[in-house]
Amino acid sequence: KAGVTQTPRYLIKTRGQQVTLSCSPISGHRSVSWYQQTPGQGLQFLFEYFSETQRNKGNFPGRFSGRQFSNSRSEMNVSTLELGDSALYLCASSVGTEAFFGQGTRLTVV
Amino acid sequence: QQQVKQSPQSLIVQKGGISIINCAYENTAFDYFPWYQQFPGKGPALLIAIRPDVSEKKEGRFTISFNKSAKQFSLHIMDSQPGDSATYFCAADYIIQGAQKLVFGQGTRLTINP
Repeated sequence: KAGVTQTPRYLIKTRGQQVTLSCSPISGHRSVSWYQQTPGQGLQFLFEYFSETQRNKGNFPGRFSGRQFSNSRSEMNVSTLELGDSALYLCASSVGTEAFFGQGTRLTVV
Repeated sequence: QQQVKQSPQSLIVQKGGISIINCAYENTAFDYFPWYQQFPGKGPALLIAIRPDVSEKKEGRFTISFNKSAKQFSLHIMDSQPGDSATYFCAADYIIQGAQKLVFGQGTRLTINP
């Protein structure tokens, strides 16, 4: 059974640009959550999607948005990038209580 | 109230020793407490988890101790090995608006010296 796949693995963007990250969940998992991981703040919840609907949202500015498609694949978009957005972005798919994480996308904003 | 506080931030243990990581929470709505292990360049992976109706759960060398009245739980790694060197996150899960939400501790970087 394939795990959670995130693309791309690494990304370098310039301040002010926008970026889109992709996540393919484990087959059969309808819930997809996104997290931002930084050395100073740890793992912070961004949002969660279930059957194409955002069910839950963390305390991030509106520049962070996401969506989920009918095949459960999810995308996360960050607009007007800031230096502080540099982080590892993790996607997790779940069924029940157990969350399975992808390897993440390392975003560097310069 | 939705925070999970984890300590220590870093821990160095000799091979064969016991590694202990502690977490505390405030929100009594939390009903599932997993621990995740993360190696460099990888995403977190579920290690072991417990529900509040159980005081202890053991899987191999890994044990969770749970104290509901104190709102604390801890991870014990017995006979720690160099391969256990990783970052460990405790977490707490609750239902909000019909959806599950995981709240993570800040993480503990564990180093096992050979």
